[in-house]
Amino acid sequence: KAGVTQTPRYLIKTRGQQVTLSCSPISGHRSVSWYQQTPGQGLQFLFEYFSETQRNKGNFPGRFSGRQFSNSRSEMNVSTLELGDSALYLCASSFRRVDEQFFGPGTRLTVL
Amino acid sequence: GENVEQHPSTLSVQEGDSAVIKCTYSDSASNYFPWYKQELGKRPQLIIDIRSNVGEKKDQRIAVTLNKTAKHFSLHITETQPEDSAVYFCAASTTGTASKLTFGTGTRLQVTL
Repeated sequence: KAGVTQTPRYLIKTRGQQVTLSCSPISGHRSVSWYQQTPGQGLQFLFEYFSETQRNKGNFPGRFSGRQFSNSRSEMNVSTLELGDSALYLCASSFRRVDEQFFGPGTRLTVL
Repeated sequence: GENVEQHPSTLSVQEGDSAVIKCTYSDSASNYFPWYKQELGKRPQLIIDIRSNVGEKKDQRIAVTLNKTAKHFSLHITETQPEDSAVYFCAASTTGTASKLTFGTGTRLQVTL
């Protein structure tokens, strides 16, 4: 099976812009979780989707949003970018619950 | 919510020695505890996990132990090799439908020759 893929791999944006990141899970996996990874904060949970429904959400502002499509692919959107949003954004997929999650390679977002 | 603490933040061992990384969690309802290894510039990879119905699990040179009473779990790597050098993350979660993984802050393991 192909692994989790994420596009794009790298992004450079300026403050105030918005960005959309995409994640394609492993075939058959219906749960997709998103994480923000920074050197200081480690892996922080953003949200989790299952069958197009957001099941759980972390402590991030409303500028961070996501969705999941019927084929389980997921996107996350960050509006009004801030310098502090610079991070590696990782998505992870699992079959049904959050156990046995497999990560994608991440999207490195730099906000200037 | 769940809080996971991980120690040490850095660990240096000589090749062939053992390495131990410890984590504590706060939510007594947590019942799933995975460990991830992240090499520089790579994605986190699941290396081993344990569920609350067992106290220990082994996979070749890697083992994880769980003490539910004390709410802590540990990763043990024996006969360390240079390719074990990476950042290791522990995590905890329940396995209900609205669960999420809460990660520790990571341990940077350096295996020296």
